[in-house]
Amino acid sequence: QQQVKQSPQSLIVQKGGISIINCAYENTAFDYFPWYQQFPGKGPALLIAIRPDVSEKKEGRFTISFNKSAKQFSLHIMDSQPGDSATYFCAASATGNQFYFGTGTSLTVIP
Amino acid sequence: ETGVTQTPRHLVMGMTNKKSLKCEQHLGHNAMYWYKQSAKKPLELMFVYNFKEQTENNSVPSRFSPECPNSSHLFLHLHTLQPEDSALYLCASSQKPGVPYGYTFGSGTRLTVV
Repeated sequence: QQQVKQSPQSLIVQKGGISIINCAYENTAFDYFPWYQQFPGKGPALLIAIRPDVSEKKEGRFTISFNKSAKQFSLHIMDSQPGDSATYFCAASATGNQFYFGTGTSLTVIP
Repeated sequence: ETGVTQTPRHLVMGMTNKKSLKCEQHLGHNAMYWYKQSAKKPLELMFVYNFKEQTENNSVPSRFSPECPNSSHLFLHLHTLQPEDSALYLCASSQKPGVPYGYTFGSGTRLTVV
């Protein structure tokens, strides 16, 4: 059973637009929710992360929205740029346990 | 050199070959991991090492054999692989297992089994 479900699989956004990627989970023991960004030929790199005690975290153009009751969290990329074109993975973990990753979203930002 | 370094970056091997993947981290971390990344699938955790000791093996076939001689180096020995084993193999490290902060991935080895 997939622990973290991610959608959409691919996303095309115009430059300057908002990119939104969604993830859902079932395990209420999860207490850490990171997003990773992966460029071709590179490994995933931590982009931003959130804990369930807050509903939103913002770093520059990247924002995580977290809905604990719905067991969902999402990544919003404001003012999307061509340099943001990459694959994005959500993940979840419970303290002391392994990460569970989503299947990834391939984002293409069109100039 | 900093971060997590993986070699080789690309590897093509026949099903009867034996090869090894290498991972080295310069972050002072104590835990190291091997992941398999296949298209349209979640990253699959294969092995976990904590202070050189293997703490987790996620039902990985015996044709994959990990080795961790010290906290900075991790190897994945490969033998008699199958075409479905073709994937990107990622190494990662962290301060210790279960602590998600500072989880750092290498750039991976793209493995093709022919």
